[in-house]
Amino acid sequence: KQEVTQIPAALSVPEGENLVLNCSFTDSAIYNLQWFRQDPGKGLTSLLLIQSSQREQTSGRLNASLDKSSGRSTLYIAASQPGDSATYLCAVPPSNDYKLSFGAGTTVTVRA
Amino acid sequence: GAVVSQHPSRVICKSGTSVKIECRSLDFQATTMFWYRQFPKQSLMLMATSNEGSKATYEQGVEKDKFLINHASLTLSTLTVTSAHPEDSSFYICSANSGTPFGTEAFFGQGTRLTVV
Repeated sequence: KQEVTQIPAALSVPEGENLVLNCSFTDSAIYNLQWFRQDPGKGLTSLLLIQSSQREQTSGRLNASLDKSSGRSTLYIAASQPGDSATYLCAVPPSNDYKLSFGAGTTVTVRA
Repeated sequence: GAVVSQHPSRVICKSGTSVKIECRSLDFQATTMFWYRQFPKQSLMLMATSNEGSKATYEQGVEKDKFLINHASLTLSTLTVTSAHPEDSSFYICSANSGTPFGTEAFFGQGTRLTVV
């Protein structure tokens, strides 16, 4: 069974600082890894999808890396803004299944 | 990205009644949709996989007679919470993939906050 861990559970930074969010998973035989953002009381917004053959994916200020062999992914958010305050979740489907296993999330607060 | 619409966003119902939640893929067809439940300050728990034209598959511990799923078309799946009780109060979220669920991007609805009084 795929176990997904996100560290830290919470993070508070001043505006402008870069954010580093970590995700680790136990089964490296994966199709892909997806990062999501969830605002309080809302659904999930897809941020980045990294295929198992890729090492990183970028979208604007967001960059996600994937090291399959070590079972790790890192989400970098450059020059954080108060609007980046949310919970960030990573999710991984194993290669023999399509069901997503989620981490517990990292709750980010960016202080103005 | 693709859009998944979930309705209603909030619902309050009396104990013993049933509530239906709709999940629609607006700009793509989804043969498979997923239903999750999320408790406060916890991550998502997969409840069931909804398959168009066939029965849903439920995760271990999820009562299929309590949580009825119907996937009658390629763009609509519904979750009906039957004989709701206060312990069913939760946040329910659906998702769908824009192609085969294997290896493609998952898109989520806005979620439904169910409160049973």
